[in-house]
Amino acid sequence: LAKTTQPISMDSYEGQEVNITCSHNNIATNDYITWYQQFPSQGPRFIIQGYKTKVTNEVASLFIPADRKSSTLSLPRVSLSDTAVYYCLVGAYTGRRALTFGSGTRLQVQP
Amino acid sequence: NAGVTQTPKFRVLKTGQSMTLLCAQDMNHEYMYWYRQDPGMGLRLIHYSVGEGTTAKGEVPDGYNVSRLKKQNFLLGLESAAPSQTSVYFCASSYTRDRGVYEQYFGPGTRLTVT
Repeated sequence: LAKTTQPISMDSYEGQEVNITCSHNNIATNDYITWYQQFPSQGPRFIIQGYKTKVTNEVASLFIPADRKSSTLSLPRVSLSDTAVYYCLVGAYTGRRALTFGSGTRLQVQP
Repeated sequence: NAGVTQTPKFRVLKTGQSMTLLCAQDMNHEYMYWYRQDPGMGLRLIHYSVGEGTTAKGEVPDGYNVSRLKKQNFLLGLESAAPSQTSVYFCASSYTRDRGVYEQYFGPGTRLTVT
């Protein structure tokens, strides 16, 4: 399984764009990049998934460069309710395997 | 749809006691998972199942057993609880797909304290 590295914590202010980068140097050809969000006392929630280039949904954007050795989760105009832990996962559900979560990035949004 | 539900929400055990955590999903998902999350840490996979009647070990399986007798249920058992098993336990489920990564749907968690 590809090992991921992401910052332990980040601070931002309401209305700013937040970019969280995840490094995954040994990503495999079949691997996808998936991000989850976790609020205190809740289970994680799927945010976005991508394989290459850019993916956008109503919550976030995911930028993946051509070499796929890193990825950036972009949260536009964050609010206080975006304060959470964000996890980057890399892997592929091919066969009888499951992905594992790292320690994540704790994002604190200030007013 | 209730999604993924977990029973109980809270439990306090004494060292050496046993208990079973129940996870149920109503989304007809093939895959189900049990994770534990210690304070300030990420999630660690305990066991998972890729279908009814099948189970597999994750990162931290020692001290736990699981069973998947019905597709919608995934049970996590602690035969002899230890203080090191104090944690929040999350169950998740996901559907299957030919390629790509399956989105996992998580339950609300069970907070277990072993004294």
